[in-house]
Amino acid sequence: DSGVTQTPKHLITATGQRVTLRCSPRSGDLSVYWYQQSLDQGLQFLIQYYNGEERAKGNILERFSAQQFPDLHSELNLSSLELGDSALYFCASSAGSRDTGELFFGEGSRLTVL
Amino acid sequence: GENVEQHPSTLSVQEGDSAVIKCTYSDSASNYFPWYKQELGKRPQLIIDIRSNVGEKKDQRIAVTLNKTAKHFSLHITETQPEDSAVYFCAASTGAGGTSYGKLTFGQGTILTVHP
Repeated sequence: DSGVTQTPKHLITATGQRVTLRCSPRSGDLSVYWYQQSLDQGLQFLIQYYNGEERAKGNILERFSAQQFPDLHSELNLSSLELGDSALYFCASSAGSRDTGELFFGEGSRLTVL
Repeated sequence: GENVEQHPSTLSVQEGDSAVIKCTYSDSASNYFPWYKQELGKRPQLIIDIRSNVGEKKDQRIAVTLNKTAKHFSLHITETQPEDSAVYFCAASTGAGGTSYGKLTFGQGTILTVHP
């Protein structure tokens, strides 16, 4: 158990819909990262938050947005969903200011868009 | 941006043999190179990492080497066991410490199968 909690574990929805994925980082970790894993794109960095502020952005679509709340949990919002958005979405956390580099991944949220 | 190429995409070995996975990166500013292991249906987990000021690092049966000049790094697993079977990902980061190490560019992954 990494200490990172993601919900829901599985989600099936239709094209055009909107979903929210939730992540609770390890206790004490200030940084939260979102990654997308798909068969054709592999593991891709989407976005990072540190202590409530956006710190880095990767290949995140404009239809996607994220935020980190004062209690440090994070949400990834995916809207106007397309078939190609079907993937495994991982949240990971790290220590932030005491960052050794290691990312602790959650179990992921598997999104299926029909 | 950074690009990480990983080879081979699949690797099959007999138990007890060694396995080597190689990665190249494009951004000379990259300074952190972790390797993650992902078992089927599970989350990626860090198995070893190396920073740009070190040429080699070893942890029991696992070692990583880094050649900054050639911009490539490799994972070596000795005395492989069936439980080593998994997908292995290399990654690179230009983190300058603190909050940036986790912005990783991953390779495409290597499916390692260790036959008993």
